[in-house]
Amino acid sequence: DGGITQSPKYLFRKEGQNVTLSCEQNLNHDAMYWYRQDPGQGLRLIYYSQIVNDFQKGDIAEGYSVSREKKESFPLTVTSAQKNPTAFYLCASTKLQGNSGNTIYFGEGSWLTVV
Amino acid sequence: GNSVTQMEGPVTLSEEAFLTINCTYTATGYPSLFWYVQYPGEGLQLLLKATKADDKGSNKGFEATYRKETTSFHLEKGSVQVSDSAVYFCALSYNTDKLIFGTGTRLQVFP
Repeated sequence: DGGITQSPKYLFRKEGQNVTLSCEQNLNHDAMYWYRQDPGQGLRLIYYSQIVNDFQKGDIAEGYSVSREKKESFPLTVTSAQKNPTAFYLCASTKLQGNSGNTIYFGEGSWLTVV
Repeated sequence: GNSVTQMEGPVTLSEEAFLTINCTYTATGYPSLFWYVQYPGEGLQLLLKATKADDKGSNKGFEATYRKETTSFHLEKGSVQVSDSAVYFCALSYNTDKLIFGTGTRLQVFP
């Protein structure tokens, strides 16, 4: 089945550790995104990428890093510099078709908790 | 800058009641507008969208009309069900296909 797969679903991080969240899509989408969701709040954009080997910072990129070595994959690393990483992380993707009405599709999300 | 404002929740309704969730936006130009729904513990699913003024998006009994004059995209449903209980997000995208979200509105429907 086509879709966006995020893993792991649940992840626990110790203070000072880096962790990487995986996001894979088999939809042949061009653009991929990472959003962070805190309880009771909306989604905030961390990073996005519209083509392979290129990505841009979103609104809250500090303490995070990404790579886009393959079209299908857009992993997010939460570094030890991110002071408050406990949140729900959502990966998304879309096919770029030259207008702003493209539907963005989301994965099932990954819960990260600092212990 | 571009932003989305939604009514605060939770919205609590009895089954078969009429639903309205207000959404207004601030944007330069003409963004596309979206409603997404999030069920507990899951990602977001597109509910409906509209890409130009006066367009009406509809899906699963939900509707929203792109009102440029009032910069609004209110979500409505004539008769809600318990299974509609979820968090609803209004969002816009403009040029770069980045979504800007509202804070979400939790809907709770009781039998």
